[in-house]
Amino acid sequence: EVQLVETGGGLIQPGGSLRLSCAASGFTVSSNYMSWVRQAPGKGLEWVSVIYSGGSTYYADSVKGRFTISRDNSKNTLYLQMNSLRAEDTAVYYCARVSRDFWSGSSPPYNWFDPWGQGTLVTVSS
Amino acid sequence: DIQMTQSPSSLSASVGDRVTITCRASQSISSYLNWYQQKPGKAPKLLIYAASSLQSGVPSRFSGSGSGTDFTLTISSLQPEDFATYYCQQSYSTPGFTFGPGTKVDIK
Repeated sequence: EVQLVETGGGLIQPGGSLRLSCAASGFTVSSNYMSWVRQAPGKGLEWVSVIYSGGSTYYADSVKGRFTISRDNSKNTLYLQMNSLRAEDTAVYYCARVSRDFWSGSSPPYNWFDPWGQGTLVTVSS
Repeated sequence: DIQMTQSPSSLSASVGDRVTITCRASQSISSYLNWYQQKPGKAPKLLIYAASSLQSGVPSRFSGSGSGTDFTLTISSLQPEDFATYYCQQSYSTPGFTFGPGTKVDIK
């Protein structure tokens, strides 16, 4: 079964650091594009970061320079290192695989988030 | 950056109703548009990808249409389990994946 399980959330003071983990099963993290998406309490979904299978990484402007996405191929796990945390970073953080369509001939390939993990709550507060 | 809007922001409907949600992109995104369903306390679930392709396991009462800037998610006959929030998301201008603000569907 294809599954993602996030861990590492919690209460952290402003300016602090936290590392989220996302353990994958049923597929290989390093062979896929993987992403983090967050949702502030009562708000909508916000894309945070993506790591491509080749290792390139990209970030939303709101977290650029503070967050780092990475993976451990031996553990088949995705990470999000979050530094200099702010109150506005309070959210449920989801990891998701970026599934891509290689059969329709579209260029670039169609892509979408599936599956998603269950999410982990990060609360930044003093 | 591509901006996504959705209308309405919320709607009330009855079981059996036909429901239509609209998503608009600030520029053409071809068919690079996905739809997700999210229930309270749960992760989003993919319904439709590439504007009109139904994800495996999703009931056929869900359908998507559109291309360019205007897209529609239709639920042909609303069921009790369909009360949720629905989000569109563009995947044309990557690596930035922009979501719409969401449409909450609740019981009339």
